[in-house]
Amino acid sequence: GAGVSQSPSNKVTEKGKDVELRCDPISGHTALYWYRQRLGQGLEFLIYFQGNSAPDKSGLPSDRFSAERTGESVSTLTIQRTQQEDSAVYLCASSLVSGGPQHFGDGTRLSIL
Amino acid sequence: QQQVKQSPQSLIVQKGGISIINCAYENTAFDYFPWYQQFPGKGPALLIAIRPDVSEKKEGRFTISFNKSAKQFSLHIMDSQPGDSATYFCAASKGTSGTYKYIFGTGTRLKVLA
Repeated sequence: GAGVSQSPSNKVTEKGKDVELRCDPISGHTALYWYRQRLGQGLEFLIYFQGNSAPDKSGLPSDRFSAERTGESVSTLTIQRTQQEDSAVYLCASSLVSGGPQHFGDGTRLSIL
Repeated sequence: QQQVKQSPQSLIVQKGGISIINCAYENTAFDYFPWYQQFPGKGPALLIAIRPDVSEKKEGRFTISFNKSAKQFSLHIMDSQPGDSATYFCAASKGTSGTYKYIFGTGTRLKVLA
């Protein structure tokens, strides 16, 4: 597809379980970002990738959160031992080059029971 | 210093009217200011963006006004239409250095009445 693709679109899981969220950026985009959007709020930065390295992980809320990226392609955000406060929409964005306009996917809505 | 303050939280405008949303920032290192439009269940879509070397940028019905000395910028939607009803977010970043992450405002929910 032409845009940023995220899967799954919705995920419901029990507290304490691990979840993996996937992002397929726009082809050729070297920079990739993860953000979190809590209900009715703005977006919070989580992590930034340039290629497969992560120069800025400063937004990851705890060590339960991690992310990786394969080359200049797919990225996965992993949340271990999920807590109810992790419930949010997780959004991925990519840009052709770092500093360029960021294009967002439709997000994964994560609900922790 | 990393905050971007956005107002109003919500806005109701008559069809054909002008919608104005304001944002203010503290960090003078910010040098890229995009606006995003978000419909329910969808990701934010880039509307228009500006850099501080210009005071205004217009694209169709959307205009950004930028006041570098006041550290403020605003989005004007001319001839507002019911299809413009959405949530709008301003953002700021250090686009020429650093990590390029966006700092977002808290959003403005716009409703345009038919």
